[in-house]
Amino acid sequence: TQLLEQSPQFLSIQEGENLTVYCNSSSVFSSLQWYRQEPGEGPVLLVTVVTGGEVKKLKRLTFQFGDARKDSSLHITAAQTGDTGLYLCAGARGNTPLVFGKGTRLSVIA
Amino acid sequence: ETGVTQSPTHLIKTRGQQVTLRCSSQSGHNTVSWYQQALGQGPQFIFQYYREEENGRGNFPPRFSGLQFPNYSSELNVNALELDDSALYLCASSLNGGVTDTQYFGPGTRLTVL
Repeated sequence: TQLLEQSPQFLSIQEGENLTVYCNSSSVFSSLQWYRQEPGEGPVLLVTVVTGGEVKKLKRLTFQFGDARKDSSLHITAAQTGDTGLYLCAGARGNTPLVFGKGTRLSVIA
Repeated sequence: ETGVTQSPTHLIKTRGQQVTLRCSSQSGHNTVSWYQQALGQGPQFIFQYYREEENGRGNFPPRFSGLQFPNYSSELNVNALELDDSALYLCASSLNGGVTDTQYFGPGTRLTVL
């Protein structure tokens, strides 16, 4: 059983479109991180959210942590080809190691 | 400032063989974590080393072992390789081993077991 479920698994959109990807769990996390991973590279941290209901913005990316700290979403406005990659969410609970979801593979087409 | 580096980039082994993967942590970081990322999956935590001591282990069998050296570089050793060990092996370094510390990932070693 996957502790963190990410949806959709795959997403292909045109440049300029908006999109939202989701990270859901039945467990409560003390913090949740979003990473982007490009082919041949390791994941790169985009943001960490720690407070229920928290919203963080990183240019065209908006991250939200659910009120109950069980879920999170990533919204991209006006997607660009450079946004293409695998988006991973990872949750931390207490002192236990990070748990990653399987990721959403995003393809933005020009 | 040098980022996290891993070697080799790619490796092909046969079942039953042993493999050693290497990781150099980012300058100033004393903690290295190793992850296994199978095709189509997210990274799974193998173990973490903090100041040369193992500091947490995931659900991996004992044939996965590691070391951290005084310069905080690290090795991952896998004995008796199985086909399912084929994956991208990632190491990540962080400043002090805290769960909320930012981890900086290397590019990974792609291991193929035939």
